[in-house]
Amino acid sequence: EDQVTQSPEALRLQEGESSSLNCSYTVSGLRGLFWYRQDPGKGPEFLFTLYSAGEEKEKERLKATLTKKESFLHITAPKPEDSATYLCAVQALSSGSARQLTFGSGTQLTVLP
Amino acid sequence: GAGVSQSPSNKVTEKGKDVELRCDPISGHTALYWYRQRLGQGLEFLIYFQGNSAPDKSGLPSDRFSAERTGESVSTLTIQRTQQEDSAVYLCASSLIQTVETQYFGPGTRLLVL
Repeated sequence: EDQVTQSPEALRLQEGESSSLNCSYTVSGLRGLFWYRQDPGKGPEFLFTLYSAGEEKEKERLKATLTKKESFLHITAPKPEDSATYLCAVQALSSGSARQLTFGSGTQLTVLP
Repeated sequence: GAGVSQSPSNKVTEKGKDVELRCDPISGHTALYWYRQRLGQGLEFLIYFQGNSAPDKSGLPSDRFSAERTGESVSTLTIQRTQQEDSAVYLCASSLIQTVETQYFGPGTRLLVL
């Protein structure tokens, strides 16, 4: 069974204090790993897709990296507007035509001014 | 263009009643997904539509749950004889068939079963 575990569950940072969120996964063949941002009361917003170990993607203050067992979302010099829940999801090669995603429970990030 | 929209945004119902949740995907998106998100948990896959057909219903938790899609557009998720454990946020997402990995989510319907 595919599993995704995110840590920490919650993270509080001061503005400008860089840190990383972790996503560990077990999947029978990885088709892709996805990061989403979810603001309170809203649906997840797509951030990145990573397909193979060693791949990196960047967007503003966020950088996502991927190894064979985990992914990191690095946040550099965060601002209060980066506060949100960050969700990680994997798509298995075995998910067939649906290509359904298996989600972790998320990391709730709070950036204090 | 407009994003994915869902209605109602909130629904409170009594145990045993039926509810219908609606999803309007992004125009031209042939793939449509329903997910359930319980408080403090990740999203659970429910069902996938390719056009108007549902090749994968494996995530539907029981026969009380059903969904349909018409005109390769609007989808309705129906929950019959609701139970308290059905309380959750129900999220809809859509994507192009060519890029099913990039799913765009709606704001969700918050369902509370009393």
